Amino acid sequence: KAGVTQTPRYLIKTRGQQVTLSCSPISGHRSVSWYQQTPGQGLQFLFEYFSETQRNKGNFPGRFSGRQFSNSRSEMNVSTLELGDSALYLCASSYFSGIYVDEQYFGPGTRLTVT
Amino acid sequence: AQKVTQAQTEISVVEKEDVTLDCVYETRDTTYYLFWYKQPPSGELVFLIRRNSFDEQNEISGRYSWNFQKSTSSFNFTITASQVVDSAVYFCALRSVTGANSKLTFGKGITLSVRP
Repeated sequence: KAGVTQTPRYLIKTRGQQVTLSCSPISGHRSVSWYQQTPGQGLQFLFEYFSETQRNKGNFPGRFSGRQFSNSRSEMNVSTLELGDSALYLCASSYFSGIYVDEQYFGPGTRLTVT
Repeated sequence: AQKVTQAQTEISVVEKEDVTLDCVYETRDTTYYLFWYKQPPSGELVFLIRRNSFDEQNEISGRYSWNFQKSTSSFNFTITASQVVDSAVYFCALRSVTGANSKLTFGKGITLSVRP
């Protein structure tokens, strides 16, 4: 089975621009979560989607948004980029049985640099 | 709110030494799951183990073993006979089943360096 894929792997943007990151989950996985990883704050949860609906959201400003498509693929968008948005953005997928908490499998991440 | 504390930030050992990575968690939920992930230099987080709050049995998988103690809210990870390939950042994480805490909360991570 192919793993979680994320595109692009690297991105350089300028302050004020917007960016869209893409994630394709493992085949059969229905839940997708997004995380931001920075040296200062560590790994922080952004949001989780299941069946095209946002199940949970972390403490990030409204500039961060996401969505999930009917094929479980997901995108996240960051508008009006700030220097502090420079980070590794990780996507994770899980089966989501609805009965217990499944482990999440992570993609390689998108390294976003804002200049 | 839930919290995961990994008090050790960096550990350096010589190959073949045993090493224990500590994890202490806080939650008010009665049903929750604990995880360990490994992040090698390539950056991709690799799932190692999941344990639910009702299963306090220790687990061993090859050179890896985990000790879950609900009484002390700890979920420690031991690598026996460490190898250079074990060098990575290790994260402990917590997730409840429902509500606002039904999201993965990670500790800050422990950087393990195994020297030949």
